[in-house]
Amino acid sequence: DTEVTQTPKHLVMGMTNKKSLKCEQHMGHRAMYWYKQKAKKPPELMFVYSYEKLSINESVPSRFSPECPNSSLLNLHLHALQPEDSALYLCASSQEGVGLGTGELFFGEGSRLTVL
Amino acid sequence: SQQGEEDPQALSIQEGENATMNCSYKTSINNLQWYRQNSGRGLVHLILIRSNEREKHSGRLRVTLDTSKKSSSLLITASRAADTASYFCVEPANSGYALNFGKGTSLLVTP
Repeated sequence: DTEVTQTPKHLVMGMTNKKSLKCEQHMGHRAMYWYKQKAKKPPELMFVYSYEKLSINESVPSRFSPECPNSSLLNLHLHALQPEDSALYLCASSQEGVGLGTGELFFGEGSRLTVL
Repeated sequence: SQQGEEDPQALSIQEGENATMNCSYKTSINNLQWYRQNSGRGLVHLILIRSNEREKHSGRLRVTLDTSKKSSSLLITASRAADTASYFCVEPANSGYALNFGKGTSLLVTP
């Protein structure tokens, strides 16, 4: 199984809502990532978990809260978002931390978020 | 910003033609990767080239790497309409834990 599964595929939420994005992989990968992608822009890294510990937080606002319950699951909790947070949120995994070694990222299809 | 630059930003060709995309990167890399993204979808890894390699092939793809110029190119031969997508070159971040994506080349292949 070489899939990264993201749910939901689409999410519409108001600025006062609390919602979560979910990501799952069963490839035994030890690093998982959240990327944010605006239209016609490259993906921008938000968070990296390595061995279930948060390794990188790219100065993401606290209204985004990541969680890694176990090595296969990655959540992104959303609260009090702004319309400018509307974007495609991509989850990815890699066998180990990417860095200096080989490091193919396996991406999910993304969750398209619209904040009203 | 570590973000690299792809050139051109957009490319339109006809089926059967070759497509060449160039990338300049900023860091001292151990490897460089190329990814493809169909419109609004997830990204797919295409090829990884190590810093001690100058050229690598995978099917209709040919990637070159010039570390002295910090540049790479992706050649797609005999293009097909299904190759229509955005293509990103990707370098390891200084943190050692993630990849930084270039701005991408948007390729349109018309029948």
